[in-house]
Amino acid sequence: GNSVTQMEGPVTLSEEAFLTINCTYTATGYPSLFWYVQYPGEGLQLLLKATKADDKGSNKGFEATYRKETTSFHLEKGSVQVSDSAVYFCALRVRGSQGNLIFGKGTKLSVKP
Amino acid sequence: SQTIHQWPATLVQPVGSPLSLECTVEGTSNPNLYWYRQAAGRGLQLLFYSVGIGQISSEVPQNLSASRPQDRQFILSSKKLLLSDSGFYLCAWTLGETQYFGPGTRLLVL
Repeated sequence: GNSVTQMEGPVTLSEEAFLTINCTYTATGYPSLFWYVQYPGEGLQLLLKATKADDKGSNKGFEATYRKETTSFHLEKGSVQVSDSAVYFCALRVRGSQGNLIFGKGTKLSVKP
Repeated sequence: SQTIHQWPATLVQPVGSPLSLECTVEGTSNPNLYWYRQAAGRGLQLLFYSVGIGQISSEVPQNLSASRPQDRQFILSSKKLLLSDSGFYLCAWTLGETQYFGPGTRLLVL
């Protein structure tokens, strides 16, 4: 079946630290991969996406590369800010699934000044 | 541009009372629509999705139901709320590869 596994949180970092949130997936076929971010009290916002192997999604200093050989889509940022504190969700969509996304459980990030 | 609205933003309801949450989408036609629930400290659970008016698919059996009376309107309902229905309810729609979410409704059942 299709599934997404994210590293357990919470993750606590100091401002300007390097961030990695691991995400691996299992999928039948060739999925598209997504990272969503949820700021406190809000809905989810699309952060970045990649639709095929070796694609790199990037936005707001965050990056993730679609690695087919390791079935991974790890989220990275070189220097986090307090405003990056949020819950991050990795997700996949298998083509032909009517747009249904499969989400990981989310990783809570807290950035301290 | 497309926008998605949900209301109410927050709701406190007693156990056994009915529920109606509304989601509307602007700026698009015939979207796929979704209801998710996020329980405290947990991930997202897909509850229902709809590919058109009157077409509802249920992912998880429970005391909730969904309806789509108009192309851009998606309603989540319950006849009798349970304590376990508390959570953050998110509506979403799909454009191509990407799913976009509304601001959510926070429901507390007491």
